Amino acid sequence: DAKTTQPPSMDCAEGRAANLPCNHSTISGNEYVYWYRQIHSQGPQYIIHGLKNNETNEMASLIITEDRKSSTLILPHATLRDTAVYYCIVEYGNKLVFGAGTILRVKS
Amino acid sequence: DTGVSQDPRHKITKRGQNVTFRCDPISEHNRLYWYRQTLGQGPEFLTYFQNEAQLEKSRLLSDRFSAERPKGSFSTLEIQRTEQGDSAMYLCASSLVVTGGSYEQYFGPGTRLTVT
Repeated sequence: DAKTTQPPSMDCAEGRAANLPCNHSTISGNEYVYWYRQIHSQGPQYIIHGLKNNETNEMASLIITEDRKSSTLILPHATLRDTAVYYCIVEYGNKLVFGAGTILRVKS
Repeated sequence: DTGVSQDPRHKITKRGQNVTFRCDPISEHNRLYWYRQTLGQGPEFLTYFQNEAQLEKSRLLSDRFSAERPKGSFSTLEIQRTEQGDSAMYLCASSLVVTGGSYEQYFGPGTRLTVT
């Protein structure tokens, strides 16, 4: 299964953009990149996903490199409520394989 | 759309007892997944259903675990003869799968099991 590598933690100032990187060098051509986040003691929350093209929704933007070996999740204006564990996942078959994720701390 | 719901939210049981959890997916969603999450780790896949058919089970799902989705709607996860190592958050997710498309999974709030 394709694995992802994320930094264990990041800090971001409130109101600034948070850029969360993810490496997935073994991704295959038809595998999607998904981002989820998990706020303490809650179930994971879907954020965004993409295959090749950059994607944007009301929560975030996803930038995928041309070779698809890495991606960046962008939260354009981070708030304190965005403090969470962010998981970058390459879809494997019919299930999500979660890694350890990145703990994002948004600070005022 | 009321989201995925799980019941109970918390369960404390003694070692050796049986427990059953329920998950109600988002209506119209044809796939339902169970995951388990221990402290400090990401969720781990246990099993999933397409309608009422259980299509995949993880090696994590020992013989003491059984899951059902009898009418393709809600699902139950039963753990028999619980052990302390079963203490975890049990998460349910659902998705609407259309052939050839991508699909996001929507998670419930989880059931936290503590085995004493």
